[in-house]
Amino acid sequence: GAVVSQHPSWVICKSGTSVKIECRSLDFQATTMFWYRQFPKQSLMLMATSNEGSKATYEQGVEKDKFLINHASLTLSTLTVTSAHPEDSSFYICSASPLVQAETQYFGPGTRLLVL
Amino acid sequence: ILNVEQSPQSLHVQEGDSTNFTCSFPSSNFYALHWYRWETAKSPEALFVMTLNGDEKKKGRISATLNTKEGYSYLYIKGSQPEDSATYLCAFNYGQNFVFGPGTRLSVLP
Repeated sequence: GAVVSQHPSWVICKSGTSVKIECRSLDFQATTMFWYRQFPKQSLMLMATSNEGSKATYEQGVEKDKFLINHASLTLSTLTVTSAHPEDSSFYICSASPLVQAETQYFGPGTRLLVL
Repeated sequence: ILNVEQSPQSLHVQEGDSTNFTCSFPSSNFYALHWYRWETAKSPEALFVMTLNGDEKKKGRISATLNTKEGYSYLYIKGSQPEDSATYLCAFNYGQNFVFGPGTRLSVLP
């Protein structure tokens, strides 16, 4: 149990385009989903926390207009990188906390984004 | 700024060797300490959630200890196998959010 999927796994796009990444909890309902970013040889860094039906909470230094988060249901959150630029190239990974196990986060496999 | 450190950064061991690595975290505002195993191209897999000082958890050949007063946790792998090769992440949990360490990359050579 506690499986989280993330799509796409890989995306290559041109500078200026927008990219949407989906995060789904497949066998549980998640009150909260988290979006992280990881640059090479660095730790996973929390970008934002999203609660179903409300606006996401962004970490300091993360542009909310650049990284749009939608958490429309208890099983789906999306991250849209708007007008992507090469410096947005990174590994993006989501996690979800179950309703009944809020102290635990289950992770998706991540999405590697390359902006040309 | 909360900082979580892990050492060593990477480790190569022979099959059958036992090994251990360290996670250091802030000793204040502690809620929980999490260990994850992250194999390439897969999702990080939760290994342990530890909350109490002196806690020791075990899962097969892997075990972990926790010292919240001095802010460290050890992860031990007994008799390493090639399938143990992965990056081991620890995460300090304060409230709802996690702060991750950079991970220890373990390679077990057959």
